[in-house]
Amino acid sequence: AQKVTQAQTEISVVEKEDVTLDCVYETRDTTYYLFWYKQPPSGELVFLIRRNSFDEQNEISGRYSWNFQKSTSSFNFTITASQVVDSAVYFCALDQTGANNLFFGTGTRLTVIP
Amino acid sequence: DVKVTQSSRYLVKRTGEKVFLECVQDMDHENMFWYRQDPGLGLRLIYFSYDVKMKEKGDIPEGYSVSREKKERFSLILESASTNQTSMYLCASSSPFKNQETQYFGPGTRLLVL
Repeated sequence: AQKVTQAQTEISVVEKEDVTLDCVYETRDTTYYLFWYKQPPSGELVFLIRRNSFDEQNEISGRYSWNFQKSTSSFNFTITASQVVDSAVYFCALDQTGANNLFFGTGTRLTVIP
Repeated sequence: DVKVTQSSRYLVKRTGEKVFLECVQDMDHENMFWYRQDPGLGLRLIYFSYDVKMKEKGDIPEGYSVSREKKERFSLILESASTNQTSMYLCASSSPFKNQETQYFGPGTRLLVL
């Protein structure tokens, strides 16, 4: 069975604050992939990152960083110095098959207040 | 760049009508997917297809059918629309064979069934 939990339904921060979006997953497989997507108000999901289960190295891309910890089955996403344009719904997803067949969490709505 | 297009951004239909949602991708992807997105529930997979004329049920196929006559096109059909099918519908495509990173999404169709 697979499960992706994004316990934070909505988060509001003031611009320039750092914010971390949590993602906890469940899977019986030893090989799997984790993803983060951003859905701005326009509606189209934008791919942010893909991480395979054998790569626990943290990833940094500009103001975005991801912390993958297999020991706690978590794949958390941090935005540093948030900006209004970061306001969106963010989805974490799990792929157990390696064939890009994704199982999504329920999403976290982030609002950055100017 | 991968391009996934959906035939309509907004659609209003009446209960009992037959509804067709069309999705076209231009990257020769083998896999195509239909999701529905509802507040608090995230994205749920309705149907997917790994090849022309092939289809597989997702997590919530009831009330829906699909058609994939050509590789680039994947249609979602609501045989007799009901009010509980009011939702945002998202199409996606991917390829497991080309070292593609993930699924690519269309802009979505907001369907209102009255």
